[in-house]
Amino acid sequence: RKEVEQDPGPFNVPEGATVAFNCTYSNSASQSFFWYRQDCRKEPKLLMSVYSSGNEDGRFTAQLNRASQYISLLIRDSKLSDSATYLCVVNDIGKLIFGQGTTLQVKP
Amino acid sequence: EPEVTQTPSHQVTQMGQEVILRCVPISNHLYFYWYRQILGQKVEFLVSFYNNEISEKSEIFDDQFSVERPDGSNFTLKIRSTKLEDSAMYFCAVPPKGVGTDTQYFGPGTRLTVL
Repeated sequence: RKEVEQDPGPFNVPEGATVAFNCTYSNSASQSFFWYRQDCRKEPKLLMSVYSSGNEDGRFTAQLNRASQYISLLIRDSKLSDSATYLCVVNDIGKLIFGQGTTLQVKP
Repeated sequence: EPEVTQTPSHQVTQMGQEVILRCVPISNHLYFYWYRQILGQKVEFLVSFYNNEISEKSEIFDDQFSVERPDGSNFTLKIRSTKLEDSAMYFCAVPPKGVGTDTQYFGPGTRLTVL
């Protein structure tokens, strides 16, 4: 089983749509979780941390379900500029373990 | 403002040649990490470096790879004899300073092309 698994997509959505990405992780002892965003041939950039209580940052909402080892990211009111690859990331005693990413393409 | 910068941005080399990739932190960091991303694949951990010593390395980080902090500030990744399959983006990363978090900030990366 892969350590961090994501649906690669692509997700093609119109502007203004709501889109959700999911991720599962294999190590039940993992403590820290993140969503990163990566634009083509650029470095991963931290989008938000993910907490058990769920957290929101503007149009972005992240959720963590420890029992199911499942992480989600919801993007509301999609913008063209949201087009990117979204990386689910788990901290494994210091090092970051990345999923393969989910590609989002927002169309006008 | 980025936590780290990396040089060069793009390196082209012949198979079998040695390359040195550099990571320059903006301020003093004790922890450094190197990751690589082969085109179209996921980001993979290579090595972590704490207080001038390797703290963990992955299976990818074999004898062809080495890391050091030659002058106390810059942080280098050396590949002794490059192979075609070493072609990838190489990212340096550091944890943010003064914040209690397990996240890391990535440098802009070096694109290595081995011919």
